[in-house]
Amino acid sequence: KNEVEQSPQNLTAQEGEFITINCSYSVGISALHWLQQHPGGGIVSLFMLSSGKKKHGRLIATINIQEKHSSLHITASHPRDSAVYICAVREAGAQKLVFGQGTRLTINP
Amino acid sequence: DVKVTQSSRYLVKRTGEKVFLECVQDMDHENMFWYRQDPGLGLRLIYFSYDVKMKEKGDIPEGYSVSREKKERFSLILESASTNQTSMYLCASSLSTLLQGNQPQHFGDGTRLSIL
Repeated sequence: KNEVEQSPQNLTAQEGEFITINCSYSVGISALHWLQQHPGGGIVSLFMLSSGKKKHGRLIATINIQEKHSSLHITASHPRDSAVYICAVREAGAQKLVFGQGTRLTINP
Repeated sequence: DVKVTQSSRYLVKRTGEKVFLECVQDMDHENMFWYRQDPGLGLRLIYFSYDVKMKEKGDIPEGYSVSREKKERFSLILESASTNQTSMYLCASSLSTLLQGNQPQHFGDGTRLSIL
């Protein structure tokens, strides 16, 4: 079993829909990261969380440390949000990240 | 803005060749990382470095080596390339989490390497 599990693996939605991507992890962490990867490869860091909730534009990330669970929400989704979204955790005391397998999101016009 | 630059976007090499992938960052980051990304497997850490001349094996170091002679540059070396090393390779850097607490990693655009 992977230490970091994302669901769903693939998600297709219509423009304007509210999107939720989930991430569960099994280890004690010091931080959780949400990353975005567009076709072509480049990865951008969206959020880094250790508790609570963060918001940036139409993106919201939440984390529940007790339940070892995080969600990434996209409001008013747009075709340009189509990308792979990756959850990663940094275990307490470690320098490296452990990655989930990613969620491929497609937003149709 | 942090800039992480990988030397090539696409690279084609032959089996048995020695292959060098270069990564340069411009923000004086202590940590640098090399990952490979394969469909269905996600990002896997090959090696990372937390200081000049320092390196640690990641999850899949076999068949690879690294070099960090200067703080800004981290090289990945495929000693004798094989077809199973065909993959997307991504470099990243960050400030030290030991010194600075939680830090985001900044990624390069990736190198798509094909070994024929």
